[in-house]
Amino acid sequence: EVQLWESGGGLVQPGGSLRLSCAASGFSFSNYAMSWVRQAPGKGLEWVSVISGRGDNAYYADSVKGRFTISRDNSKNTLYLQMNSLRAEDTAVYYCAKEHDRQNDYWGQGTLVTVSS
Amino acid sequence: QSALTQPASVSGSPGQSITISCTGTSSDVGTYNFVSWYQQHPGKAPKLMISDVSNRPSGVSNRFSGSKSGNTASLTISGLQAEDEADYYCSSYTSSKTGVFGTGTKVTVL
Repeated sequence: EVQLWESGGGLVQPGGSLRLSCAASGFSFSNYAMSWVRQAPGKGLEWVSVISGRGDNAYYADSVKGRFTISRDNSKNTLYLQMNSLRAEDTAVYYCAKEHDRQNDYWGQGTLVTVSS
Repeated sequence: QSALTQPASVSGSPGQSITISCTGTSSDVGTYNFVSWYQQHPGKAPKLMISDVSNRPSGVSNRFSGSKSGNTASLTISGLQAEDEADYYCSSYTSSKTGVFGTGTKVTVL
Protein backbone atom coordinates (compact mmCIF):
# COMPACT_ATOMS: atom_id res chain seq x y z
CA GLU A 1 0.00 0.00 0.00
CA VAL A 2 1.34 3.39 -1.03
CA GLN A 3 1.68 5.76 1.91
CA LEU A 4 2.87 9.36 1.96
CA TRP A 5 3.32 11.27 5.18
CA GLU A 6 4.16 14.98 5.23
CA SER A 7 5.74 16.75 8.19
CA GLY A 8 7.48 20.00 9.03
CA GLY A 9 4.61 22.44 8.76
CA GLY A 10 3.95 25.12 11.32
CA LEU A 11 3.86 28.83 12.03
CA VAL A 12 6.66 30.97 10.56
CA GLN A 13 7.15 34.72 10.30
CA PRO A 14 7.21 36.48 6.92
CA GLY A 15 10.68 36.25 5.44
CA GLY A 16 11.40 33.07 7.36
CA SER A 17 12.24 29.55 6.21
CA LEU A 18 10.78 26.11 6.67
CA ARG A 19 11.62 22.64 5.35
CA LEU A 20 8.86 20.16 4.66
CA SER A 21 9.45 16.42 4.47
CA CYS A 22 7.43 13.63 2.92
CA ALA A 23 8.15 10.05 3.94
CA ALA A 24 7.12 7.49 1.34
CA SER A 25 6.50 3.76 1.53
CA GLY A 26 4.82 0.99 -0.42
CA PHE A 27 6.46 1.62 -3.80
CA SER A 28 9.88 1.86 -5.39
CA PHE A 29 10.49 5.50 -4.49
CA SER A 30 13.42 6.18 -6.79
CA ASN A 31 11.45 5.04 -9.85
CA TYR A 32 8.89 7.83 -9.62
CA ALA A 33 8.81 11.58 -9.90
CA MET A 34 7.30 13.33 -6.89
CA SER A 35 5.37 16.58 -6.61
CA TRP A 36 4.32 19.21 -4.11
CA VAL A 37 0.86 20.76 -4.42
CA ARG A 38 -0.58 23.37 -2.06
CA GLN A 39 -4.02 24.62 -1.13
CA ALA A 40 -4.57 27.96 0.56
CA PRO A 41 -7.42 28.06 3.11
CA GLY A 42 -10.74 27.90 1.28
CA LYS A 43 -9.02 28.00 -2.12
CA GLY A 44 -8.22 25.60 -4.93
CA LEU A 45 -5.24 23.38 -5.61
CA GLU A 46 -2.03 24.98 -6.84
CA TRP A 47 0.81 23.01 -8.43
CA VAL A 48 4.13 23.92 -6.78
CA SER A 49 7.01 21.74 -7.94
CA VAL A 50 8.07 18.37 -9.31
CA ILE A 51 11.33 16.40 -9.15
CA SER A 52 12.39 13.44 -11.26
CA GLY A 53 12.98 10.01 -9.78
CA ARG A 54 16.75 10.39 -9.77
CA GLY A 55 16.52 13.96 -8.54
CA ASP A 56 18.35 15.42 -11.53
CA ASN A 57 15.49 17.46 -12.91
CA ALA A 58 13.16 19.82 -11.06
CA TYR A 59 10.57 22.35 -12.12
CA TYR A 60 8.74 25.07 -10.23
CA ALA A 61 5.66 27.26 -10.41
CA ASP A 62 6.49 30.89 -11.15
CA SER A 63 5.02 31.85 -7.77
CA VAL A 64 7.75 29.97 -5.87
CA LYS A 65 10.67 29.95 -8.31
CA GLY A 66 13.85 31.22 -6.69
CA ARG A 67 12.43 30.83 -3.16
CA PHE A 68 11.55 27.11 -2.91
CA THR A 69 13.81 24.13 -3.59
CA ILE A 70 12.59 20.60 -4.06
CA SER A 71 14.92 17.68 -3.35
CA ARG A 72 14.85 14.01 -2.46
CA ASP A 73 16.90 11.40 -0.65
CA ASN A 74 16.21 8.08 -2.35
CA SER A 75 18.19 6.19 0.30
CA LYS A 76 15.66 7.44 2.87
CA ASN A 77 12.56 7.35 0.62
CA THR A 78 11.98 10.97 1.53
CA LEU A 79 10.98 14.06 -0.45
CA TYR A 80 11.74 17.59 0.74
CA LEU A 81 10.63 21.14 0.07
CA GLN A 82 12.90 23.91 1.34
CA MET A 83 10.91 27.11 1.55
CA ASN A 84 12.74 30.43 1.96
CA SER A 85 11.62 34.08 1.97
CA LEU A 86 8.14 32.98 2.95
CA ARG A 87 5.22 35.31 2.36
CA ALA A 88 1.69 35.47 3.74
CA GLU A 89 0.41 34.15 0.42
CA ASP A 90 2.41 30.94 0.93
CA THR A 91 0.03 30.01 3.77
CA ALA A 92 -1.53 26.71 2.72
CA VAL A 93 -1.81 23.01 3.28
CA TYR A 94 1.10 21.43 1.41
CA TYR A 95 0.56 17.98 -0.10
CA CYS A 96 3.19 15.67 -1.48
CA ALA A 97 2.06 13.41 -4.27
CA LYS A 98 3.50 10.48 -6.21
CA GLU A 99 3.55 10.93 -9.96
CA HIS A 100 2.71 8.36 -12.60
CA ASP A 101 2.90 9.50 -16.21
CA ARG A 102 2.96 13.16 -15.17
CA GLN A 103 -0.19 12.80 -13.04
CA ASN A 104 -0.59 12.48 -9.29
CA ASP A 105 -1.92 9.05 -8.41
CA TYR A 106 -1.34 9.05 -4.64
CA TRP A 107 -1.43 11.93 -2.17
CA GLY A 108 -0.43 12.47 1.42
CA GLN A 109 -2.75 14.02 3.99
CA GLY A 110 -0.97 17.36 3.92
CA THR A 111 0.83 19.61 6.37
CA LEU A 112 -0.26 23.16 7.20
CA VAL A 113 2.14 26.05 6.77
CA THR A 114 1.08 29.38 8.23
CA VAL A 115 3.08 32.51 7.46
CA SER A 116 2.17 35.26 9.87
CA SER A 117 3.72 37.69 12.30
CA GLN B 1 0.80 29.17 -15.73
CA SER B 2 -2.78 30.36 -15.59
CA ALA B 3 -5.21 27.98 -13.95
CA LEU B 4 -7.46 25.91 -16.17
CA THR B 5 -11.03 27.23 -16.22
CA GLN B 6 -13.82 25.25 -14.58
CA PRO B 7 -17.36 26.26 -13.62
CA ALA B 8 -17.56 27.26 -9.97
CA SER B 9 -20.49 24.98 -9.27
CA VAL B 10 -22.60 22.26 -10.83
CA SER B 11 -25.62 20.59 -9.28
CA GLY B 12 -27.91 17.70 -10.05
CA SER B 13 -30.51 15.43 -8.50
CA PRO B 14 -29.74 11.86 -7.46
CA GLY B 15 -29.62 9.58 -10.48
CA GLN B 16 -29.00 12.39 -12.95
CA SER B 17 -25.83 12.97 -14.97
CA ILE B 18 -23.69 16.07 -14.75
CA THR B 19 -20.68 17.23 -16.75
CA ILE B 20 -17.85 19.48 -15.60
CA SER B 21 -15.78 21.28 -18.19
CA CYS B 22 -12.10 22.20 -17.95
CA THR B 23 -10.76 24.68 -20.49
CA GLY B 24 -7.07 25.21 -21.06
CA THR B 25 -4.88 26.20 -23.96
CA SER B 26 -2.78 24.67 -26.71
CA SER B 27 0.11 24.66 -24.21
CA ASP B 28 -1.59 22.19 -21.90
CA VAL B 29 -4.95 20.44 -22.40
CA GLY B 30 -4.93 20.97 -26.15
CA THR B 31 -1.60 19.24 -26.69
CA TYR B 32 -1.20 16.63 -23.98
CA ASN B 33 -3.32 13.66 -22.94
CA PHE B 34 -1.88 13.93 -19.42
CA VAL B 35 -5.21 15.28 -18.19
CA SER B 36 -6.50 14.08 -14.85
CA TRP B 37 -9.42 14.70 -12.52
CA TYR B 38 -9.43 14.73 -8.73
CA GLN B 39 -12.21 14.51 -6.15
CA GLN B 40 -11.77 16.27 -2.82
CA HIS B 41 -14.10 16.02 0.13
CA PRO B 42 -13.87 18.71 2.85
CA GLY B 43 -10.77 18.34 4.99
CA LYS B 44 -9.47 15.43 2.92
CA ALA B 45 -6.68 14.95 0.43
CA PRO B 46 -7.53 14.89 -3.27
CA LYS B 47 -8.24 11.50 -4.85
CA LEU B 48 -7.43 10.60 -8.44
CA MET B 49 -10.62 9.78 -10.33
CA ILE B 50 -9.54 9.94 -14.00
CA SER B 51 -6.09 9.89 -15.59
CA ASP B 52 -4.88 10.19 -19.18
CA VAL B 53 -8.12 11.99 -20.17
CA SER B 54 -10.39 8.98 -19.78
CA ASN B 55 -8.79 6.18 -17.76
CA ARG B 56 -10.33 5.13 -14.46
CA PRO B 57 -7.91 3.91 -11.79
CA SER B 58 -8.74 0.65 -10.10
CA GLY B 59 -11.48 1.10 -7.52
CA VAL B 60 -13.07 4.19 -9.08
CA SER B 61 -16.73 3.78 -9.97
CA ASN B 62 -17.57 3.42 -13.65
CA ARG B 63 -20.08 6.22 -13.13
CA PHE B 64 -17.12 8.56 -13.65
CA SER B 65 -15.91 9.13 -17.20
CA GLY B 66 -13.64 11.61 -18.94
CA SER B 67 -13.17 12.99 -22.42
CA LYS B 68 -11.39 15.76 -24.31
CA SER B 69 -12.02 17.88 -27.36
CA GLY B 70 -9.51 20.50 -28.41
CA ASN B 71 -8.53 22.64 -25.45
CA THR B 72 -11.41 21.44 -23.26
CA ALA B 73 -11.61 18.33 -21.12
CA SER B 74 -14.75 17.09 -19.44
CA LEU B 75 -15.70 14.91 -16.49
CA THR B 76 -19.11 13.26 -16.48
CA ILE B 77 -20.68 11.74 -13.41
CA SER B 78 -23.64 9.54 -14.24
CA GLY B 79 -26.19 8.18 -11.77
CA LEU B 80 -25.33 10.98 -9.34
CA GLN B 81 -25.17 9.86 -5.71
CA ALA B 82 -25.02 11.77 -2.42
CA GLU B 83 -21.42 10.61 -1.89
CA ASP B 84 -20.38 12.38 -5.10
CA GLU B 85 -20.92 15.76 -3.45
CA ALA B 86 -17.40 17.20 -3.32
CA ASP B 87 -15.00 19.55 -5.04
CA TYR B 88 -13.54 18.42 -8.36
CA TYR B 89 -10.33 19.62 -9.98
CA CYS B 90 -8.88 18.97 -13.39
CA SER B 91 -5.15 19.05 -14.04
CA SER B 92 -2.86 18.97 -17.04
CA TYR B 93 0.79 18.65 -17.90
CA THR B 94 2.12 21.74 -19.67
CA SER B 95 4.69 22.59 -22.33
CA SER B 96 6.82 24.17 -19.56
CA LYS B 97 7.15 20.69 -18.01
CA THR B 98 5.08 21.87 -15.06
CA GLY B 99 1.58 21.01 -13.96
CA VAL B 100 -1.49 23.18 -13.73
CA PHE B 101 -4.78 22.67 -11.91
CA GLY B 102 -8.24 23.89 -12.71
CA THR B 103 -10.08 26.48 -10.66
CA GLY B 104 -12.24 23.79 -9.09
CA THR B 105 -15.93 22.90 -9.26
CA LYS B 106 -18.23 22.32 -6.30
CA VAL B 107 -20.68 19.54 -7.08
CA THR B 108 -23.94 19.67 -5.14
CA VAL B 109 -26.40 16.79 -5.04
CA LEU B 110 -29.85 18.30 -4.65
